Amino acid sequence: AQTVTQSQPEMSVQEAETVTLSCTYDTSESDYYLFWYKQPPSRQMILVIRQEAYKQQNATENRFSVNFQKAAKSFSLKISDSQLGDAAMYFCAHIRPGAGSYQLTFGKGTKLSVIP
Amino acid sequence: DTAVSQTPKYLVTQMGNDKSIKCEQNLGHDTMYWYKQDSKKFLKIMFSYNNKELIINETVPNRFSPKSPDKAHLNLHINSLELGDSAVYFCASQSVGGGPPYGYTFGSGTRLTVV
Repeated sequence: AQTVTQSQPEMSVQEAETVTLSCTYDTSESDYYLFWYKQPPSRQMILVIRQEAYKQQNATENRFSVNFQKAAKSFSLKISDSQLGDAAMYFCAHIRPGAGSYQLTFGKGTKLSVIP
Repeated sequence: DTAVSQTPKYLVTQMGNDKSIKCEQNLGHDTMYWYKQDSKKFLKIMFSYNNKELIINETVPNRFSPKSPDKAHLNLHINSLELGDSAVYFCASQSVGGGPPYGYTFGSGTRLTVV
């Protein structure tokens, strides 16, 4: 079974500072995809960033970047220059293509607060 | 245009009632899902349909019945609502036939409150 673990239920960061959210996952597959989703108070689920397991280069989207450590099965999200609008729940998720379902398995989330 | 739309956004109903949540996507995706988000924000898959065919049916009470009239629609009907059914229900769509990245596009969620 695939599992995704987010060990930090809550985090806080000062505005303009950098914060890293942790995620580990368990899989026996070599080909898979990882995602970070953001859920602000509006409850809309927003895709932040994705990483293909076969790519060694870490994905980057503007102020968001990941540190993907395949051997350690670790997929952390770094948010640089934090803004008030970054305050949200962040979910790490794992998907394994070719399994017939392609379902996303989510971690339990990390609630990020941004302090002005 | 909204890519994945769910209606209603809020639903308050009494125990024992039957209710439906509708979901439509205009992305041309071939797979659709229902997820339940509980009070602790945990997201758990309920059902998956691919081109109108049920693919995933997790351990969900049979009071929950999904229906997919076509690949753009996936509705969720709930019979005999119970207090524990109170949650946010998300519909999502996904393109699996066109290759990666297999991410979901989510609807805005339906907050169901059973009183």
